[in-house]
Amino acid sequence: ETGVTQTPRHLVMGMTNKKSLKCEQHLGHNAMYWYKQSAKKPLELMFVYSLEERVENNSVPSRFSPECPNSSHLFLHLHTLQPEDSALYLCASSQLPTAPQTQYFGPGTRLLVL
Amino acid sequence: AQKVTQAQTEISVVEKEDVTLDCVYETRDTTYYLFWYKQPPSGELVFLIRRNSFDEQNEISGRYSWNFQKSTSSFNFTITASQVVDSAVYFCALSEANNQGGKLIFGQGTELSVKP
Repeated sequence: ETGVTQTPRHLVMGMTNKKSLKCEQHLGHNAMYWYKQSAKKPLELMFVYSLEERVENNSVPSRFSPECPNSSHLFLHLHTLQPEDSALYLCASSQLPTAPQTQYFGPGTRLLVL
Repeated sequence: AQKVTQAQTEISVVEKEDVTLDCVYETRDTTYYLFWYKQPPSGELVFLIRRNSFDEQNEISGRYSWNFQKSTSSFNFTITASQVVDSAVYFCALSEANNQGGKLIFGQGTELSVKP
């Protein structure tokens, strides 16, 4: 495996379900990111982890819970989601603090909440 | 304040036409980085190019070229002899050198449709 991988690629869940999105990076980076991309909207940064510590949380509802057990893996735990949470969830990684900090993205998980 | 503006929401061209995607940015920092990403229908953002604020030299890579002008705070992207495979959403992004967490500020994106 190379680059950034995400599983599952597609997910359909009910509002009462609990599911997790997984991201793995094979680039030797030390920072990982979660983004949300809703239809016809720009990318929204959700969380940033640097050296496994959360350094940014952009006012994301608590029904989204990130976890970064090591620098290669990032999870997004989902519970009691709303239909408006349906979106493409993208994971990215980069090497901090070395500029210019290019972020490399995974293929995303398309989430549909019914 | 940091901001990236891609005024063109959608562009449609016929194959083999040249097309330019505009990007205008705002930043107070003197050291910053500009990026272009391509997002095909599959969803993955593909990194295309990075420029730093000290290097205004234009760059060409095959059919792609980038024009960076600090005087107008613009970083425009031109595709020469467009192909159907170029159809995608293209994002311009800005990162300031001193920001913690390597935060990227994205523009709204320009959806390019290349018709055969």
